[in-house]
Amino acid sequence: SQKIEQNSEALNIQEGKTATLTCNYTNYSPAYLQWYRQDPGRGPVFLLLIRENEKEKRKERLKVTFDTTLKQSLFHITASQPADSATYLCALVPGGTSYGKLTFGQGTILTVHP
Amino acid sequence: NAGVMQNPRHLVRRRGQEARLRCSPMKGHSHVYWYRQLPEEGLKFMVYLQKENIIDESGMPKERFSAEFPKEGPSILRIQQVVRGDSAAYFCASSPTSRGETEAFFGQGTRLTVV
Repeated sequence: SQKIEQNSEALNIQEGKTATLTCNYTNYSPAYLQWYRQDPGRGPVFLLLIRENEKEKRKERLKVTFDTTLKQSLFHITASQPADSATYLCALVPGGTSYGKLTFGQGTILTVHP
Repeated sequence: NAGVMQNPRHLVRRRGQEARLRCSPMKGHSHVYWYRQLPEEGLKFMVYLQKENIIDESGMPKERFSAEFPKEGPSILRIQQVVRGDSAAYFCASSPTSRGETEAFFGQGTRLTVV
């Protein structure tokens, strides 16, 4: 069966450290993988998109990698800050889908301690 | 340019009543997706609409749920004869194109509570 899993339900780190979140998928061939941030009581906010033929994407303190052999994406936040505390969601668009129908992981709750 | 607007933000319905959730996409966006987030679960796709057309409703329960996106006005997700299990946060997202590599802009959601 198809699954998309984020390996940690919760991740606690100290301010200034790098947070690394993992997203694994099985029985998908995603064309794109996206990462979103969701704060309590709010809708998800888009962060980064990476295509199946891209290995890495960066945006300011954020970095995403995509390994289609391992069927895994890693999301890194460097020099983390308490304001980075939120739930982070990975989502994929299956290959062969011509529109943006997203399949989400269950999310990882990140807490950055001062 | 206002973001995606959903209303109401909170909705309480008694079992058996109807719930109507509204979504106004961002200006210039003609593609709308609805997702449901049950307590302790991830976001699940429900339906994808373009103006006046339902393109993919594979995530919609077969009964009691319907969606529309008329030529004029907001997209509506309608739940008839609500049951306790319908209690969830319902999010809509809009995008300017249908392409899968386009980011989705989400609204703040409607939190439906069925009592």
